[in-house]
Amino acid sequence: KQEVTQIPAALSVPEGENLVLNCSFTDSAIYNLQWFRQDPGKGLTSLLLIQSSQREQTSGRLNASLDKSSGRSTLYIAASQPGDSATYLCAVRPGGSQGNLIFGKGTKLSVKP
Amino acid sequence: KAGVTQTPRYLIKTRGQQVTLSCSPISGHRSVSWYQQTPGQGLQFLFEYFSETQRNKGNFPGRFSGRQFSNSRSEMNVSTLELGDSALYLCASREVVQGFYEQYFGPGTRLTVT
Repeated sequence: KQEVTQIPAALSVPEGENLVLNCSFTDSAIYNLQWFRQDPGKGLTSLLLIQSSQREQTSGRLNASLDKSSGRSTLYIAASQPGDSATYLCAVRPGGSQGNLIFGKGTKLSVKP
Repeated sequence: KAGVTQTPRYLIKTRGQQVTLSCSPISGHRSVSWYQQTPGQGLQFLFEYFSETQRNKGNFPGRFSGRQFSNSRSEMNVSTLELGDSALYLCASREVVQGFYEQYFGPGTRLTVT
């Protein structure tokens, strides 16, 4: 059974710091991995999608990497800003495109001005 | 393109009642999935519909059901509501063609059961 773990559960950093959020999964047979952002009481915003054959994806100040063999992904946020404060969720889609997303519990990020 | 929309956004119901939530996917997306989010359990998959057929189902009791219409809009129904059903219900849509299968989520419906 696929399980997704995100560490740390919460993180507080001063503005301007570069930071890394971690995601690990137990079964390496995934189709893709997606990082989301969730603001309090709101829906999920897709940040980055990495296919199983890819090693990383970049969007602006965000960079996500994937090491399928070790069951790990990281989300790197450069030059953090207060507006980055949110909960970041990692989700994997199991092998086979019809699998549903399996989510981690998220990392709650707070960026202090 | 307009994003995924969900109605209503907030709902308060009493134990024992039933509720219907609605979701309109992104235009062109034929797959609609539903997830329940609670502080304790996080995000859990309920079911996925594609072309009006349930294609995948999570581990929830039969009180939770759904359907999809020919225009891809979807509804989920919860009967005999329990206090533990209080949650944020999220709908997501995706394209189902050879490709990336990126999932897009709606703003959610906040259900409170009293």
